[in-house]
Amino acid sequence: RKEVEQDPGPFNVPEGATVAFNCTYSNSASQSFFWYRQDCRKEPKLLMSVYSSGNEDGRFTAQLNRASQYISLLIRDSKLSDSATYLCVVSGGGADGLTFGKGTHLIIQP
Amino acid sequence: NAGVTQTPKFRILKIGQSMTLQCTQDMNHNYMYWYRQDPGMGLKLIYYSVGAGITDKGEVPNGYNVSRSTTEDFPLRLELAAPSQTSVYFCASSSQGRREQYFGPGTRLTVT
Repeated sequence: RKEVEQDPGPFNVPEGATVAFNCTYSNSASQSFFWYRQDCRKEPKLLMSVYSSGNEDGRFTAQLNRASQYISLLIRDSKLSDSATYLCVVSGGGADGLTFGKGTHLIIQP
Repeated sequence: NAGVTQTPKFRILKIGQSMTLQCTQDMNHNYMYWYRQDPGMGLKLIYYSVGAGITDKGEVPNGYNVSRSTTEDFPLRLELAAPSQTSVYFCASSSQGRREQYFGPGTRLTVT
């Protein structure tokens, strides 16, 4: 099983819709969880941390299910500018650091 | 506050040449990392450092070397460049391990 697995997509979603993606992770000892956003030909940027109780930041909601070892990201009222690749990131990788998923590609269509 | 900066932005190397990719952070972070990202692929860790004078190998260290003489700087050296090293290289830093990492804008390297 891969350490962090994501559906690569692409997810094609009309503007204004709600979209959700999940990711699963294999290391049950992982303690820190994040969603990053990566625009084409740009560096990954932190979108939000994911907390055990779930958390929200504007139109974005992240949830963590430790028992099933998955993390979700929900985007409400999607905007054209939300088009990007979303990386699921989990602690417990080498270097006492983070393990990055390969990303889910999201395309918001007008 | 510039965050993490990388130079150069782009570079074309001939097979067998060497170069150093520069990375500097101004956040006083102890941890620094070098990743490479091939098209359509995820980030792969090359080398990392947990503080000045301390470096260690990541997942794909072959063909690369690093040094960390100061907290701010973490250069990546490519010796005897090969076409397989054509990639985008990202430097990142974090205050501690297992914490969020902040990335530089990347260096796009082509080896021909």
